Amino acid sequence: SQTIHQWPATLVQPVGSPLSLECTVEGTSNPNLYWYRQAAGRGLQLLFYSVGIGQISSEVPQNLSASRPQDRQFILSSKKLLLSDSGFYLCAWSIQGSYEQYFGPGTRLTVT
Amino acid sequence: GQSLEQPSEVTAVEGAIVQINCTYQTSGFYGLSWYQQHDGGAPTFLSYNALDGLEETGRFSSFLSRSDSYGYLLLQELQMKDSASYFCAGEGRALTFGSGTRLQVQP
Repeated sequence: SQTIHQWPATLVQPVGSPLSLECTVEGTSNPNLYWYRQAAGRGLQLLFYSVGIGQISSEVPQNLSASRPQDRQFILSSKKLLLSDSGFYLCAWSIQGSYEQYFGPGTRLTVT
Repeated sequence: GQSLEQPSEVTAVEGAIVQINCTYQTSGFYGLSWYQQHDGGAPTFLSYNALDGLEETGRFSSFLSRSDSYGYLLLQELQMKDSASYFCAGEGRALTFGSGTRLQVQP
């Protein structure tokens, strides 16, 4: 069966510090991968998606970046965090050509 | 791009039926999905409509009308565990989520 892992579960970082969130998927090959951000009480905002290694599409211009160094690994990064980067970050995967997305447990980031 | 609108909150009693509406404005629309999210948890997939009409999955049903740019999620025989946020999501080049409807089921 397929599983998706995200870490860390919670993170408190000062403004201006770097960020690295990691997501890995097991039990499937060549998945589509996604990063979402959810502000408290709001919907999900798609940040990045990837259809293959090294292929990243950005949906929202900001100080975040994403990389996919391996088929089932997706990394969200920032060089300098802003207060507005606080939120619940969710990684998701889907089978190529399928509509159903499977979400990881999420990382709750607080920038202080 | 896509934008989806849904009510922010709905309240219903246990055993009742509730309908959560979603209207969308989009280009390149392929279908409408519904996700459930409990507080602090990750969204989980409920249903998908690619064609007009009703899709039924147990107590949950979802409906789509492309001509009206409208869909809804119908929850029957409500249970306390159905208290959660429900999101419609439009499938285009990527998935765009609505802002979510918080359902509160009361005893």
